[in-house]
Amino acid sequence: GAVVSQHPSRVICKSGTSVKIECRSLDFQATTMFWYRQFPKQSLMLMATSNEGSKATYEQGVEKDKFLINHASLTLSTLTVTSAHPEDSSFYICSARDWRVETQYFGPGTRLLVL
Amino acid sequence: DQQVKQNSPSLSVQEGRISILNCDYTNSMFDYFLWYKKYPAEGPTFLISISSIKDKNEDGRFTVFLNKSAKHLSLHIVPSQPGDSAVYFCAASADGNKLVFGAGTILRVKS
Repeated sequence: GAVVSQHPSRVICKSGTSVKIECRSLDFQATTMFWYRQFPKQSLMLMATSNEGSKATYEQGVEKDKFLINHASLTLSTLTVTSAHPEDSSFYICSARDWRVETQYFGPGTRLLVL
Repeated sequence: DQQVKQNSPSLSVQEGRISILNCDYTNSMFDYFLWYKKYPAEGPTFLISISSIKDKNEDGRFTVFLNKSAKHLSLHIVPSQPGDSAVYFCAASADGNKLVFGAGTILRVKS
């Protein structure tokens, strides 16, 4: 089956620093990748849609200057949380859509803790 | 505005019996539906999907049924196993666009 990896799996950082999370599709090309955030006991919340070679589309209420997304290749998208604050602590999950089918495959997630 | 609803927050089933997870949607433009399974602190795992041109799709122990007129779909797991215990999310998309997720249903399979 399709595999999507995320790195790092966990990160602890100080308030005010920036954190970069990588999402890779390992065995397929993904023209579109998605970034989600999950709060405890809640469903996945879509943050932005990332298209290879173009600017990301952000959902309402998501600050594009705070959550920088780069989709430089068909297998890699990055999410950078800039000037992180404790309220940014969450579980961030990416997904990649296999261009041959409509199914999205998810990465294992990244747990971010901002102190 | 919740376009995809999973009205049962949890479900408890005996091992070996059938688990039925339900999902309702409101957007008639949805044409592709998926079920994902998720463990705590992990990303969702794709289980099974169905296109709006079908009313049933089967894969091993998992079967998804789609009732377009009722805007309802369900996931049947039979026989249920303890390892099936997880959160199950229903998701839908229109024209290959972003997925809209339900709130999830916690399934507990008792041995």
